[in-house]
Amino acid sequence: DAMVIQNPRYQVTQFGKPVTLSCSQTLNHNVMYWYQQKSSQAPKLLFHYYDKDFNNEADTPDNFQSRRPNTSFCFLDIRSPGLGDAAMYLCATSRHSTTGGLDTQYFGPGTRLTVL
Amino acid sequence: KNEVEQSPQNLTAQEGEFITINCSYSVGISALHWLQQHPGGGIVSLFMLSSGKKKHGRLIATINIQEKHSSLHITASHPRDSAVYICAVRWGAQKLVFGQGTRLTINP
Repeated sequence: DAMVIQNPRYQVTQFGKPVTLSCSQTLNHNVMYWYQQKSSQAPKLLFHYYDKDFNNEADTPDNFQSRRPNTSFCFLDIRSPGLGDAAMYLCATSRHSTTGGLDTQYFGPGTRLTVL
Repeated sequence: KNEVEQSPQNLTAQEGEFITINCSYSVGISALHWLQQHPGGGIVSLFMLSSGKKKHGRLIATINIQEKHSSLHITASHPRDSAVYICAVRWGAQKLVFGQGTRLTINP
């Protein structure tokens, strides 16, 4: 089945140790998103890719970076994780066309990051 | 700045009851999403709508663009409907703005 896959589902890292979270999709969607969701809070958009164009949210810390080497894959790099970065990280995709507009977003299962 | 307000924040009901969750937003939008998130789980998109009403099984979503208000209804609620329901509006080309969510608990 076409889907959004995130690996790993659970990630434990040490304070300051770089970590990379992975997202892949078989939907061939041109837009991919990374959200951060802390406990009992709404998801917060970190950035998104529209095709290869990277769009960073103004309040996303520089500690968070992203790469999209191809349509199917998108990575979230946290260069120096702090205790406050412990959260669920959600990847989502959607399809946008110039004629049809933006389709609904499809979310992955998330990666829960623990920082020790 | 677009604000998205959901009510109630928490809702507990008995199995079989008719459930309504409300969402209000402050500025014009291009679309509104209703999402479902189970504890510890990812998010599932239930509906995307920009006008009128949509129905899928026991779920119904309505939107009133003039009043900037949407409702999600669940008929014949079941314990498996227990989850957090999130309203999100599309503001701008791709960005979603999320409400704080409504935690729904359906008791058997």
